[in-house]
Amino acid sequence: DAGVTQSPTHLIKTRGQQVTLRCSPKSGHDTVSWYQQALGQGPQFIFQYYEEEERQRGNFPDRFSGHQFPNYSSELNVNALLLGDSALYLCASSFAGVQETQYFGPGTRLLVL
Amino acid sequence: GQQVMQIPQYQHVQEGEDFTTYCNSSTTLSNIQWYKQRPGGHPVFLIQLVKSGEVKKQKRLTFQFGEAKKNSSLHITATQTTDVGTYFCAGEKDSWGKLQFGAGTQVVVTP
Repeated sequence: DAGVTQSPTHLIKTRGQQVTLRCSPKSGHDTVSWYQQALGQGPQFIFQYYEEEERQRGNFPDRFSGHQFPNYSSELNVNALLLGDSALYLCASSFAGVQETQYFGPGTRLLVL
Repeated sequence: GQQVMQIPQYQHVQEGEDFTTYCNSSTTLSNIQWYKQRPGGHPVFLIQLVKSGEVKKQKRLTFQFGEAKKNSSLHITATQTTDVGTYFCAGEKDSWGKLQFGAGTQVVVTP
């Protein structure tokens, strides 16, 4: 039973570029949440996808967008990259319901130069 | 908006000693979750507390949820080198999966 997987593991981009990160949820899970973790800080909630719709969103600009596919996998897109977007991007999956545990993937480390 | 504060930021512990990390929310939570992140790793789920005043134990780890459901603590007894890492609390206000993480307590264990 595979856990949450993310790709790529590492990525280097330059300012102004666009990036797409991918996530496959744990088997049996249908909800995917994305978090940004800057160095030395706790993860910050970006948004959550359920039934291919964005269900909740944190305080992130519209440059951050996402998508969920029928197989529950998800993508995070970031446009017009800034130096401050350098961080570990974590995907967490869960089964829809009240107070369900979220399981995190290994993350994608993004460096913007 | 909701804020989750965690103290201390750093904890240096001698192997065998006990320590406690505390988590406080500005708003009442539906539940609180604790995660451990090893250096270079990702957050790994430890436990979820839902009920007011709930206490749960996992071997040497004891987790508490306050009566008002606004604070929580993690107490580790007889610290071992395997306890090294950053411990995060994460509160949920509306039960639909939007976790608000604290800044974490980074634990360093001295043999």
